[in-house]
Amino acid sequence: AQSVSQHNHHVILSEAASLELGCNYSYGGTVNLFWYVQYPGQHLQLLLKYFSGDPLVKGIKGFEAEFIKSKFSFNLRKPSVQWSDTAEYFCAVSDLNAGNNRKLIWGLGTSLAVNP
Amino acid sequence: DAGVIQSPRHEVTEMGQEVTLRCKPISGHNSLFWYRQTMMRGLELLIYFNNNVPIDDSGMPEDRFSAKMPNASFSTLKIQPSEPRDSAVYFCASSSLDTEQFFGPGTRLTVL
Repeated sequence: AQSVSQHNHHVILSEAASLELGCNYSYGGTVNLFWYVQYPGQHLQLLLKYFSGDPLVKGIKGFEAEFIKSKFSFNLRKPSVQWSDTAEYFCAVSDLNAGNNRKLIWGLGTSLAVNP
Repeated sequence: DAGVIQSPRHEVTEMGQEVTLRCKPISGHNSLFWYRQTMMRGLELLIYFNNNVPIDDSGMPEDRFSAKMPNASFSTLKIQPSEPRDSAVYFCASSSLDTEQFFGPGTRLTVL
C-alpha cells in the first residue's frame, strides 16, 4: 500500500538549533509533495510544496525542503528554529498517477517543541 | 477570499443525538475533503468529493457517518447517532486540480 513515513515522532530543540525532519514515501511514479504545519489549537497550514522544477523548495518562515527522487524523500529543514516554530508538522504526498483520485496520503506527523 | 468556512466551531452533544457539520469550500475549488483528527488516530481522511461527486469514502468509519455535497459551495457531514468515540476535531479542506488543500478552522465535536 502507498504510504508516507515520517521518521521522527517527537523532536525537542533549543532555539537557534537547526532542524531536519525526515519524510519518505513509497510511490514510484510522479508525485506532488507537501509539508503542512499545525500550530497548537489551529488548523493545518501549508508550509511549502513541490510540484515540479527545482527540487529545493523554499517555504514560509524560513523553511525549505529538498525533493530527492532517487531516495523517495522530501525532508524539511530550517537552519535556526524559534520558539514560535513549536507545532505539529505533517508530510503529505499526492500520487499523480491515481487518475481522478486526488487525495493526499499523510504521514503521522512530527511534534516539534522548541525550548526558549 | 474568506477561505474554507466551517460551522459550528464547537459542538457539544449527548450520545445518541444527530450531529451535522457544515463546510463551505473556497470558491472555484472543485475538490472537497472531510478529515477527522484525534490524539489516538491522528489525521484521517473520511471522504473526498470531486465536482460534488464522492470519489473515495473508504475512510468513513461506519454507517452512522454520511456526507453530502449538494452543490459546489456546500457540504455536510452527518453523524447519527453520535457516540462518545466520535469526539474529535473535524476538518474540511478544499482544493483545485493544481493547488494544495486549504483547510478550514475545524469543528471540535464533543459527544458526552
